[in-house]
Amino acid sequence: DIQMTQSPSSLSASVGDRVTLTCRASQSVRTDLNWYQQKPGKAPSLLIYDASSLQSGVPSRFSGSGSGTDFTLTINNLQPEDLATYHCQQSYETPRTFGQGTKVEI
Amino acid sequence: QVQLQESGPGLVKPSQTLSLTCAISGDSVSSNSAAWNWIRQSPSRGLEWLGRTYYRSKWYDDYAVSVKSRTTINPDTSKNQFSLQLNSVTPEDTAVYYCARDSAVTATFDYWGQGILVTVSS
Repeated sequence: DIQMTQSPSSLSASVGDRVTLTCRASQSVRTDLNWYQQKPGKAPSLLIYDASSLQSGVPSRFSGSGSGTDFTLTINNLQPEDLATYHCQQSYETPRTFGQGTKVEI
Repeated sequence: QVQLQESGPGLVKPSQTLSLTCAISGDSVSSNSAAWNWIRQSPSRGLEWLGRTYYRSKWYDDYAVSVKSRTTINPDTSKNQFSLQLNSVTPEDTAVYYCARDSAVTATFDYWGQGILVTVSS
């Protein structure tokens, strides 16, 4: 199975900050990498697919980049509603695997 | 708009079978462009994909190696839903269980149920 490793496991930032989250795959997944946002007590919600494509309805302050094994999720102008845990997930092969998540605190 | 809704018991005794159902609205379990998944989440394991069922001229299923020997996922076309059966449960199977649609177009879990907490305890 492809192992997904996210860093940091948690971070604290202020409203208006730019935040960068990292996800690393144990082998190349090309750009078959998705990001999900999970707010407290809720199911994950798709944020970005194919490493850099923004899901419909997601604010443009979210962006993704990377290919191969190294990926980043950037949140510009952090907002209070961005308090959540962010998960990366590879869709390169089955089984689909997730990172352990990065918790963003405001 | 696709909606998924999990249902089933919230408490299961050790060694028994965990059975959950996911009702689908806004799409079909027989869709040729989707797969229907079970994913669970616990503090110790994070998000863990368990398996899926999908239709591509015939029915297929895939399972995570960690649960393959004791897991069955079945479609129910008459009720437009799919189910999860996890046998011989232990306290380590305590988790929030989600059903989710895997879009064949974007290869993402684009719709999720709200989740159901299942506790394994005597």
